[in-house]
Amino acid sequence: GEDVEQSLFLSVREGDSSVINCTYTDSSSTYLYWYKQEPGAGLQLLTYIFSNMDMKQDQRLTVLLNKKDKHLSLRIADTQTGDSAIYFCAEDRDNAGNMLTFGGGTRLMVKP
Amino acid sequence: DAGVTQSPTHLIKTRGQQVTLRCSPKSGHDTVSWYQQALGQGPQFIFQYYEEEERQRGNFPDRFSGHQFPNYSSELNVNALLLGDSALYLCASSLQGGLYEQYFGPGTRLTVT
Repeated sequence: GEDVEQSLFLSVREGDSSVINCTYTDSSSTYLYWYKQEPGAGLQLLTYIFSNMDMKQDQRLTVLLNKKDKHLSLRIADTQTGDSAIYFCAEDRDNAGNMLTFGGGTRLMVKP
Repeated sequence: DAGVTQSPTHLIKTRGQQVTLRCSPKSGHDTVSWYQQALGQGPQFIFQYYEEEERQRGNFPDRFSGHQFPNYSSELNVNALLLGDSALYLCASSLQGGLYEQYFGPGTRLTVT
C-alpha cells in the first residue's frame, strides 16, 4: 500500500470549510503537494508547500505543515459543489519535483 | 499555451499484446514522467525521462519501457500485457532546474482483457 496515508472520504455542506489530512513518511522531502482529480480526468496541481514553511495560503486554500508529526493538511474555505473531487497529497522524495509519491486520495463530496 | 497532451484517450488490448502510449509535454518543459493509476488508488511513479534518457525508475518490471524524442515528447511501451496492467496511465511534464511543479495530462485509460 501507499506510504503516504489519507482518509478515504469526507462529506461537507456547501459553504462549510473542508479539511483534508495526510501523513507522509520521508522527512527529507523538500516539497509537498496537493492535487485534485475530477472524474475521468487527470491531476490538477492545486498548491504545494516548501518543507521549511508551516503554512501557505492561496485564495480559498490553506496548507498547514507539521514536520515533527509529518502531517499535512489542506483546508478549503467556503466549499462549493465544484470542489467535489478526489484530492491527493504527494511528497517529493527525490527533492527535484520529478518523482512524486502519492497517497491513496480523499474523496470530497459537497452537498448543496 | 498547450498543456500536456496524451494519446490515445482509451485503449483496449488483449493479454500478451504490446501497447504504446504517447505524451507531449507542456510548452517549455523538458522532462516527462509516467505514472500508473489503478482504479481507486493514487498514481504510482513508473519512470522519468530527461535529455532522451531514463533518469529515475519506480518499482516496475522491465516490461515497461520508454523513450523520449528530441522534441521532448515521450512514449511508454508495455510488453506482454497482463490483466493487472489495466489502469489510467498519466504523463506529467516539468522543467529541470525550474520550479518544482509537475503538470499532468488527462491520461490514457488502458483496459487489458
